[in-house]
Amino acid sequence: EVQLVESGGGLVQPGGSLRLSCAACGFTFSNYWMHWVRQAPGKGLVWVSRINSDGSNTGYADSVKGRFTISRDNAKNTLYLQMNSLRAEDTAVYYCARLLVGARIDYWGQGTLVTVSS
Amino acid sequence: QSVLTQPPSASGTPGQRVTISCSGSSSNIGSNYVYWYQQLPGTAPKLLIYSNNQRPSGVPDRFSGSKSGTSASLAISGLRSEDEADYYCATWDDSLSGPVFGGGTKLTVL
Repeated sequence: EVQLVESGGGLVQPGGSLRLSCAACGFTFSNYWMHWVRQAPGKGLVWVSRINSDGSNTGYADSVKGRFTISRDNAKNTLYLQMNSLRAEDTAVYYCARLLVGARIDYWGQGTLVTVSS
Repeated sequence: QSVLTQPPSASGTPGQRVTISCSGSSSNIGSNYVYWYQQLPGTAPKLLIYSNNQRPSGVPDRFSGSKSGTSASLAISGLRSEDEADYYCATWDDSLSGPVFGGGTKLTVL
């Protein structure tokens, strides 16, 4: 059974940093592009970042470019999101997602809540 | 403000047919497949429609999707109380090189 389990969320002050992790199992992690998608409280889904299967190609939404870094460890079947210079508007549930093609996300994690507040 | 435009709300009575629209541009819907997701409160989204009009196994045929030009729509027939949820359209955006989503439509079953 495919599972994506996020961790690392929590309360952080503006300007602070946080690293999210997503542990994957039930599939050959190294074969898939992976993404982070976030959802602010009461708001819609917003794509954050993507990484190709071997980690050599990454992409970011303009809102996080230069502040967030996506990475992966295929030996540990784990996806990461390093978030620096956090702002109040980064407050959201962050989902790890396996995207097959286009915008077809067949598996989502349960999400981890990041709250940026003083 | 979301890249794709959806109505914020929709409603219907049990048994009715409702449609939810999704509008984009030539760089996203106009040149890529459209996907639809259903999100129940407190849960992760679930894929409802892929490649404009295909249903994953397990999704009832009451749900159908269509696309024309730079717009798409989701239709739900035989509305049921358990269909009450938020619905999101999504597609790939060639300019962004990433997926984009609509703002979501909250469906209420009266």
